[in-house]
Amino acid sequence: RKEVEQDPGPFNVPEGATVAFNCTYSNSASQSFFWYRQDCRKEPKLLMSVYSSGNEDGRFTAQLNRASQYISLLIRDSKLSDSATYLCVFTGGSYIPTFGRGTSLIVHP
Amino acid sequence: NAGVTQTPKFQVLKTGQSMTLQCAQDMNHNSMYWYRQDPGMGLRLIYYSASEGTTDKGEVPNGYNVSRLNKREFSLRLESAAPSQTSVYFCASSEAFNQPQHFGDGTRLSIL
Repeated sequence: RKEVEQDPGPFNVPEGATVAFNCTYSNSASQSFFWYRQDCRKEPKLLMSVYSSGNEDGRFTAQLNRASQYISLLIRDSKLSDSATYLCVFTGGSYIPTFGRGTSLIVHP
Repeated sequence: NAGVTQTPKFQVLKTGQSMTLQCAQDMNHNSMYWYRQDPGMGLRLIYYSASEGTTDKGEVPNGYNVSRLNKREFSLRLESAAPSQTSVYFCASSEAFNQPQHFGDGTRLSIL
């Protein structure tokens, strides 16, 4: 099993749709979880951390399922500007952060 | 609000040439990282530095060397560039491994 697995997509959705991505991890010692957004040919930027109880930031909701070892990102009311690649990251106190390869999202009019 | 600064932003080299990519952060972060990103491959870790004075190999270290010059600066050196090293290189820093990383805006390197 790969350390981090993400569906590469692309997820092609209309404006206003709700879309969700999952990211699974194999290292049960993972303690910290993040979602990053990367626009084409740009650097990754932190979108949000993922907390055990789940957390929300506007239209974005992140959740953690430790039992099944995955995190999810839900985007509501998709905007054209949400089109990007979304990267998940897992890390712990003593091991280096591990990035997924990313999920491509295309929001069309 | 500089964050992580990488230089140069673009570079074209000939096979066999050497060069150093520079990275500096002003956030007083302990950990720094060098990644390369190729189409369809995602981010691959080349080297990292957990703290000032330490460096370790990542997933793809062959053909590269690094120097953690001080807490702020972490450079990546290509001793003898090869076409396979054509890529976009990102430097990142974080307060610690379990904290989010901040990325520079990348160096686009082409080797002919």
